[in-house]
Amino acid sequence: AQTVTQSQPEMSVQEAETVTLSCTYDTSENNYYLFWYKQPPSRQMILVIRQEAYKQQNATENRFSVNFQKAAKSFSLKISDSQLGDTAMYFCACINSNSGYALNFGKGTSLLVTP
Amino acid sequence: KAGVTQTPRYLIKTRGQQVTLSCSPISGHRSVSWYQQTPGQGLQFLFEYFSETQRNKGNFPGRFSGRQFSNSRSEMNVSTLELGDSALYLCASSLAGTGGYEQYFGPGTRLTVT
Repeated sequence: AQTVTQSQPEMSVQEAETVTLSCTYDTSENNYYLFWYKQPPSRQMILVIRQEAYKQQNATENRFSVNFQKAAKSFSLKISDSQLGDTAMYFCACINSNSGYALNFGKGTSLLVTP
Repeated sequence: KAGVTQTPRYLIKTRGQQVTLSCSPISGHRSVSWYQQTPGQGLQFLFEYFSETQRNKGNFPGRFSGRQFSNSRSEMNVSTLELGDSALYLCASSLAGTGGYEQYFGPGTRLTVT
């Protein structure tokens, strides 16, 4: 079984600043994938970034990057140059083929970007 | 490419009734997954379909069922609705192992049971 833990229920950051959201996971699989999803107040869940467990290089997508520590089972998301539009719930998720293609989500972190 | 679409977007039903929700995946995606999102339980996996076959089912009662058609469109059905079924139901499509594991979500169906 997989578990995903997000220990920060709420966070706040000022516009243009950098913020890091934490995520830890537990899986017995060797081949798995990790994701960060963003769910703005409009409710549409959007894929932000993905990381394959077999890749050592941390994934980057524009202002979003991850710090993937496989041994520590840690997968944090860094948002640089925060923008008001980054205000949303952020979910960390894990999947592998043995989980039947089911995403296991953390409880989420509510991020508020203030002017 | 068009994204995942879900219909209806909002639904109000009475306890004991049944409801059917529909999901059209991204063109070329053969896997469709369903999730229930509530404030208390968060996001929970309901089931996943691939090429008209249910490959996996979450820990939900038998009142929750689904199916997938030959064009990959999927429906989920909830019978004998209970107040606790009030939730946002999200559908996601994926290439599911044939090209990647990431899932792309639709806007959801907000179900309110009164």
